[in-house]
Amino acid sequence: KAGVTQTPRYLIKTRGQQVTLSCSPISGHRSVSWYQQTPGQGLQFLFEYFSETQRNKGNFPGRFSGRQFSNSRSEMNVSTLELGDSALYLCASSQGAGTTKTQYFGPGTRLLVL
Amino acid sequence: DQQVKQNSPSLSVQEGRISILNCDYTNSMFDYFLWYKKYPAEGPTFLISISSIKDKNEDGRFTVFLNKSAKHLSLHIVPSQPGDSAVYFCAASATTVGTSYGKLTFGQGTILTVHP
Repeated sequence: KAGVTQTPRYLIKTRGQQVTLSCSPISGHRSVSWYQQTPGQGLQFLFEYFSETQRNKGNFPGRFSGRQFSNSRSEMNVSTLELGDSALYLCASSQGAGTTKTQYFGPGTRLLVL
Repeated sequence: DQQVKQNSPSLSVQEGRISILNCDYTNSMFDYFLWYKKYPAEGPTFLISISSIKDKNEDGRFTVFLNKSAKHLSLHIVPSQPGDSAVYFCAASATTVGTSYGKLTFGQGTILTVHP
């Protein structure tokens, strides 16, 4: 089975712009979660989607949003980018909702905000 | 507040010896724990997990131990190999509905270096 894929792998944006990141889960997985990794804060949960519904959300401002499509693919959007949004954004998929099943991660999208 | 803590930022061991990575948690709602291995600029790779109904789970060279009363888990790697050198994260989740449901809470990671 192919693993979790994320596009693009690298992205450079300027402050004030918006960005959309894409994630394709492992085939058959219906849950997609997003995480942000920064040197200072470590790995932090952004949100989780299951069957096109957001089921949980982390402590991030409303500039961070996401959605999931009927084929389980997911996108996350960050509007009005700030320098502090520079990070590695990771997507993870699992078979069920919640974490009763293990989450498998993609390679991440490295976002640099200038 | 940091609900999952890995107090050792780094660990250095000799090839062939045992590596022991430790993790402590504070949230009593956590009942499912995982260890991930991560290389720079890559996503975490799942290693092993354990449910709170068990106190030990083994998979090849990797064994995870859970001490619920102490809210402590550890990952043992035996024997350690140079290819094991990476950052190791422990993560915790709650399988019952609540604020920790549906998400992984990660520790800060431990850099493991295995010397030949």
